[in-house]
Amino acid sequence: GAVVSQHPSWVICKSGTSVKIECRSLDFQATTMFWYRQFPKQSLMLMATSNEGSKATYEQGVEKDKFLINHASLTLSTLTVTSAHPEDSSFYICSVEDQQETQYFGPGTRLLVL
Amino acid sequence: DAKTTQPPSMDCAEGRAANLPCNHSTISGNEYVYWYRQIHSQGPQYIIHGLKNNETNEMASLIITEDRKSSTLILPHATLRDTAVYYCIVSPGTQGGSEKLVFGKGTKLTVNP
Repeated sequence: GAVVSQHPSWVICKSGTSVKIECRSLDFQATTMFWYRQFPKQSLMLMATSNEGSKATYEQGVEKDKFLINHASLTLSTLTVTSAHPEDSSFYICSVEDQQETQYFGPGTRLLVL
Repeated sequence: DAKTTQPPSMDCAEGRAANLPCNHSTISGNEYVYWYRQIHSQGPQYIIHGLKNNETNEMASLIITEDRKSSTLILPHATLRDTAVYYCIVSPGTQGGSEKLVFGKGTKLTVNP
C-alpha cells in the first residue's frame, strides 16, 4: 500500500496563531488526498477532500476559511489551521487514495492550542 | 452516519484466532467492505477489503456472507500488537470517483497474554 508521512507529528501553539500541517505521499502520485480530524475518545471525522490542482471540497460544518487546504503537487497536500483556538486541539490525519481507490493514512499530527 | 454495526469491544487470547463481526444489512450492490484498524495515537492502518468473495492477505482474512449483509474479519494468530480499534466500513470503492470513508465507533480488540 501507499506510504504516507505527515509533518510535524505534534505541535503546540498559542491561541491566535496559524499552524501548517504537511501530508506527503512518498511512493506514488496522489491525485486525491483526504483530511480527517479525531477528538479524544471519538472516531475519525472527514474534514475535506483535496484534489490536486483544484479547490478542496469541505464537509458540512467545516469552515473553509479556517482550515485552508492546498494540494499543489501530486505528492503534497497541506492543511493550515488559521487563528487556532483551544477547541481546534485535535489529532489531524491525512490519507491518500491509490489507483484502486483504497485509502492509506498518515501517522497523524497532534495539535495542542494553548 | 456509519452504515455498519460492530460490537464495542472484544477480547482474545494471544496466539488464538480473533474473529471480528460486522453487520452491514443495508449494503448496496456496488459497495465494498473495508477493514481498517487504529492502534492508539496512530493513523488508521488498511487491513483488507472485499466485494462479495472471501479475501485473504498477509494480515487477515475477510469472510463475507452470501447475502453480503455481514462479514467477519479473522486475524488467524493474534498477537499483543494486534490490540487496536478495528473499523468496518462500507464504501462504493472503485466506481471511478473518490468516495469518503465514514468511520463508526469500531470494535476495541484487546489481545491478552
